[in-house]
Amino acid sequence: GAVVSQHPSWVICKSGTSVKIECRSLDFQATTMFWYRQFPKQSLMLMATSNEGSKATYEQGVEKDKFLINHASLTLSTLTVTSAHPEDSSFYICSARSGISPLHFGNGTRLTVT
Amino acid sequence: DAKTTQPNSMESNEEEPVHLPCNHSTISGTDYIHWYRQLPSQGPEYVIHGLTSNVNNRMASLAIAEDRKSSTLILHRATLRDAAVYYCILILGGNEKLTFGTGTRLTIIP
Repeated sequence: GAVVSQHPSWVICKSGTSVKIECRSLDFQATTMFWYRQFPKQSLMLMATSNEGSKATYEQGVEKDKFLINHASLTLSTLTVTSAHPEDSSFYICSARSGISPLHFGNGTRLTVT
Repeated sequence: DAKTTQPNSMESNEEEPVHLPCNHSTISGTDYIHWYRQLPSQGPEYVIHGLTSNVNNRMASLAIAEDRKSSTLILHRATLRDAAVYYCILILGGNEKLTFGTGTRLTIIP
């Protein structure tokens, strides 16, 4: 089945630094990838839709300058959390889709900002 | 996206069938009904989806009401590994965004 790989699975960084999270579709080409954030005991919240070769579309309330998304190829999208602060600590999850098939999700990245 | 309503939590005994309900009274004619589940500390996993007819796959069955205003995910024989949060989501045909509700936290009792 379709596999989405997300890296790293966890990261700890200091406040003020930037962190990059990678999302790769391993066995299919994904024209669209999605980035979610999930706080403890809460549901997934869509942050942005990433389209290959074009700018990402951010959901209301998500700062595009803070959460930089790049989708340079059909198999790779990256999310960079810039100038991270403790309140950015969360579980970040990417997903990808090929055509009209169901979404496939990565295993998430747990970010802790100290 | 049309909204769905699910019970916050359910319990089931191991090796028994589980019926997870979902109400979606405002569903439109082109909305697909998708089910995903999320195990602890993992990304969501696709379970099943359908439009009008009941669907079966190796993981589960999806029973869709005739008026499509509700559906039920059926796990035929629950195992401890089925303990997860189950999300019922409507996806407008051609619209790729998934909006997650609060889902149903399923606990399996050994």
